[in-house]
Amino acid sequence: QKEVEQNSGPLSVPEGAIASLNCTYSDRVSQSFFWYRQYSGKSPELIMSIYSNGDKEDGRFTAQLNKASQYVSLLIRDSQPSDSATYLCAVKDGGSNYKLTFGKGTLLTVNP
Amino acid sequence: EAGVTQFPSHSVIEKGQTVTLRCDPISGHDNLYWYRRVMGKEIKFLLHFVKESKQDESGMPNNRFLAERTGGTYSTLKVQPAELEDSGVYFCASSGNLDYGYTFGSGTRLTVV
Repeated sequence: QKEVEQNSGPLSVPEGAIASLNCTYSDRVSQSFFWYRQYSGKSPELIMSIYSNGDKEDGRFTAQLNKASQYVSLLIRDSQPSDSATYLCAVKDGGSNYKLTFGKGTLLTVNP
Repeated sequence: EAGVTQFPSHSVIEKGQTVTLRCDPISGHDNLYWYRRVMGKEIKFLLHFVKESKQDESGMPNNRFLAERTGGTYSTLKVQPAELEDSGVYFCASSGNLDYGYTFGSGTRLTVV
């Protein structure tokens, strides 16, 4: 059974701080990793994808991947109240190349 | 570009009844997926269509669930007869290229009472 683990939170940070979200996964052959943001009652929205070890930056978001440690993280710099949402880590199945395994999500609250 | 559309957004039915959920993927996306989130659990894969063909239905819970994608366009997911444990949010997603992430619809919240 392939698993993706995330701290459920809630994670609370003040406005302007860095929010750090973490995720570990069990499928050693996975090659594709995604972070989705989900506001309450809304659809999961893809915000970052990462495929190679190291860091990938997109605006205020940085995804970090360490395949040896089976670890993915998302950093949000200069956090804003509008970043308050549940962040879902998703790992694409290494065997199928289409099936996503999700973590339960981390609820982030950014306090003004 | 229109997103992935699902309806209804909410459905409340009694145990034993039938419900049909519909998903309209992004135009031109050959790949269509159904996922489900039950309360307290993570979002889980149900099945994958490539055009009108079921590529993988390994996540379907049992034979009370039937998915179709006629003509490779929209898809339906029928639950018949519904049981209490079928309650949850059913998400549809589509993608044009397997190498990237999907676009999700806003989901159908199904409540079986």
